[in-house]
Amino acid sequence: EAAVTQSPRNKVTVTGGNVTLSCRQTNSHNYMYWYRQDTGHGLRLIHYSYGAGNLQIGDVPDGYKATRTTQEDFFLLLELASPSQTSLYFCASSEGSDYTFGSGTRLLVI
Amino acid sequence: GDKVKQSPSALSLQEGTNSALRCNFSIAATTVQWFLQNPRGSLMNLFYLVPGTKENGRLKSAFDSKESYSTLHIRDAQLEDSGTYFCAAEASGGNYKPTFGKGTSLVVHP
Repeated sequence: EAAVTQSPRNKVTVTGGNVTLSCRQTNSHNYMYWYRQDTGHGLRLIHYSYGAGNLQIGDVPDGYKATRTTQEDFFLLLELASPSQTSLYFCASSEGSDYTFGSGTRLLVI
Repeated sequence: GDKVKQSPSALSLQEGTNSALRCNFSIAATTVQWFLQNPRGSLMNLFYLVPGTKENGRLKSAFDSKESYSTLHIRDAQLEDSGTYFCAAEASGGNYKPTFGKGTSLVVHP
């Protein structure tokens, strides 16, 4: 069973739509991250958290909110989706040297 | 400029040959991680380094914090080594927020 599970795997939404991406980890890690991956940019950090109720701003936070409801669950919210947010989104959890990625969510905003 | 610069951006190797990938840092990196994203898109952790070297099978990585660089050596390249290699550095006081390079795309051909 995957230690970091993302859902959905694929999502299509319209401009201005409301989207929630979900991530659950079973690693008992304190840290969780949301990244977006775009050609030519590598992985860019959107938001991260070091525990339930905690939220830290990443490097490209504009247009995104996040919430860490439990140790296991970290959500990424796009309240007014724009075409520029079309991307491949990865969630990860970490503790010390252990860093685990989910399988990714491909989001298309049309 | 980029805080983590990877080189080369792309590389083509013949099966059985050796090569090295490099990351240069413009931040005071204290730890470095290397990841491989396979052609299916899955990201896996290869190495977690404090200054020093680590080896795992045909892969060997080194991190020199004073000279601000890290290398990943691939020996006897195999087809399954193909993918995109990312390095990520964490700076002192970085709050467990690794900064990723843009990646090196490696193709190993027969």
